[in-house]
Amino acid sequence: EPEVTQTPSHQVTQMGQEVILRCVPISNHLYFYWYRQILGQKVEFLVSFYNNEISEKSEIFDDQFSVERPDGSNFTLKIRSTKLEDSAMYFCASSRVGGHAEAFFGQGTRLTVV
Amino acid sequence: GQQVMQIPQYQHVQEGEDFTTYCNSSTTLSNIQWYKQRPGGHPVFLIQLVKSGEVKKQKRLTFQFGEAKKNSSLHITATQTTDVGTYFCAGRLEYGNKLVFGAGTILRVKS
Repeated sequence: EPEVTQTPSHQVTQMGQEVILRCVPISNHLYFYWYRQILGQKVEFLVSFYNNEISEKSEIFDDQFSVERPDGSNFTLKIRSTKLEDSAMYFCASSRVGGHAEAFFGQGTRLTVV
Repeated sequence: GQQVMQIPQYQHVQEGEDFTTYCNSSTTLSNIQWYKQRPGGHPVFLIQLVKSGEVKKQKRLTFQFGEAKKNSSLHITATQTTDVGTYFCAGRLEYGNKLVFGAGTILRVKS
């Protein structure tokens, strides 16, 4: 069964460092998303991406964040200068179409900023 | 911004008892989805409701979408230990692709 894969599963970084979280969405999906979940809290939308550009973003997704689809398979989330409060589980998701399709989530990357 | 409220935050039931979680949106939704997240896992899609007043069943799970498309519920009949996890509703606005998640309801089942 096709799945969304994320690497690494766990990343520890120093405050102020840049991190890149990687995702390989399901191959025939067109919409890609990043969500984050602070430990014990709800899943929060960060950004959606379609046709090589951001289609929506939340207030969390400030100038420190960027997304990229560098090739035909990867979808990355970059955090330029990490803060302690960026520590969370980051989930990548993809869907076949936008408005009326289920989102398939990856296993997540646990980011710990120390 | 759009808010999706979900209650209760936490429910602890005896195996065999029923369980219900409720979801309310501040705005009309295009559709609502339900996800289950096992402890330490990732959200897994359960179902999508699109039509006003829609009711769908999956074995012991019953999902409802309100007439105004602003609220939804998930009801589990005769809970089992395999039902443990966090149940999230996620609503999509009339326009756009953003899924807004509720805070989730944590279900624990005592055997």
